[in-house]
Amino acid sequence: KNQVEQSPQSLIILEGKNCTLQCNYTVSPFSNLRWYKQDTGRGPVSLTIMTFSENTKSNGRYTATLDADTKQSSLHITASQLSDSASYICVVSEGSTLGRLYFGRGTQLTVWP
Amino acid sequence: DAGVIQSPRHEVTEMGQEVTLRCKPISGHNSLFWYRQTMMRGLELLIYFNNNVPIDDSGMPEDRFSAKMPNASFSTLKIQPSEPRDSAVYFCASSLAGQNTEAFFGQGTRLTVV
Repeated sequence: KNQVEQSPQSLIILEGKNCTLQCNYTVSPFSNLRWYKQDTGRGPVSLTIMTFSENTKSNGRYTATLDADTKQSSLHITASQLSDSASYICVVSEGSTLGRLYFGRGTQLTVWP
Repeated sequence: DAGVIQSPRHEVTEMGQEVTLRCKPISGHNSLFWYRQTMMRGLELLIYFNNNVPIDDSGMPEDRFSAKMPNASFSTLKIQPSEPRDSAVYFCASSLAGQNTEAFFGQGTRLTVV
């Protein structure tokens, strides 16, 4: 069964600290993996998209890694800011004609001053 | 570009009433998606259009839900009759070419059915 599991479910860190969010998936065949940031009351915004051949991709203070062999991805946030407080959602695209998407439940990150 | 535009932003309706949610995708995008988000189930894809044609509607929960895309710049999601369990935030998103390209989301419509 195709699934996407994220951990932790929620996380609280102090401003300036680093953190890492995890995403494990069983989707097969695999096409790509995306990380979205969703602020409260807003729609999700794409942070990174990674294909099978990409191991790491950065977007400012956000760095995503992908291990297609173990079917794991992580999102590392460096020097966190208050504005990083949001839900981070991992989405995996199936490598089929439809390219169906499978969503994780998200990690709720709270950054405290 | 103003991005994906959804209306209304909030909708409160009584059980049994018809609800219509509207979406204007980003100009030039040929793929449009309707999602539903709840605390219990997270984000779920309801239906996906490509070039105004429904490609995958396997996520539509039941016959009470219907979606149309009469042209490249407009789509509707209709629920009739609405039920309290339909209460959720409904997002519309668009992309340049299918599900494997970056999707841009609207602000969502928060639907409450009482």
